[in-house]
Amino acid sequence: GQNIDQPTEMTATEGAIVQINCTYQTSGFNGLFWYQQHAGEAPTFLSYNVLDGLEEKGRFSSFLSRSKGYSYLLLKELQMKDSASYLCAVSRAGGSYIPTFGRGTSLIVHP
Amino acid sequence: KAGVTQTPRYLIKTRGQQVTLSCSPISGHRSVSWYQQTPGQGLQFLFEYFSETQRNKGNFPGRFSGRQFSNSRSEMNVSTLELGDSALYLCASRPGQDYEQYFGPGTRLTVT
Repeated sequence: GQNIDQPTEMTATEGAIVQINCTYQTSGFNGLFWYQQHAGEAPTFLSYNVLDGLEEKGRFSSFLSRSKGYSYLLLKELQMKDSASYLCAVSRAGGSYIPTFGRGTSLIVHP
Repeated sequence: KAGVTQTPRYLIKTRGQQVTLSCSPISGHRSVSWYQQTPGQGLQFLFEYFSETQRNKGNFPGRFSGRQFSNSRSEMNVSTLELGDSALYLCASRPGQDYEQYFGPGTRLTVT
């Protein structure tokens, strides 16, 4: 089976940096996704990490440690529009890249 | 390029009825996946179709079924609806076996 844990809710201030953690336990791990979902909208792809380390993409960075079953999404220079749910998801070996999602972290950015 | 479209956007059905939802993928995308999203269970994978064949399947009962047409459009059917089937049903498309999927806006199904 698969177990994915992430905090339910986080709050942060505009302009600040926030780190959203995700831990997972799964057999046959292949890679880890991060998706962003604004209320009432479809999820949008942010990143997919396969190798250990940090990958930076503009204001967003994603980190993976395969040995620790741990990932985080780092959001810098927070903007009000970053208020959304952030979904961590894992894909298993086999090449299908089908994500199994965690419950998501609701991030609230306030002025 | 137009994004993934889903119809209808909202639907109200009665327990015991059946429902069919439709998804049109991004032009050129041959894979369509379906997901169910509820507050309690989060986003869960239902199944994936590629070139008219079911390629992957999640852990949902047989009441949930799907198909894909030669133009890659896909339909999802739920028979004998239960109250617990009330959810947002999302479809996502990708060109082939890429890891990046593009989600549609979803169909909000309410079962009364």
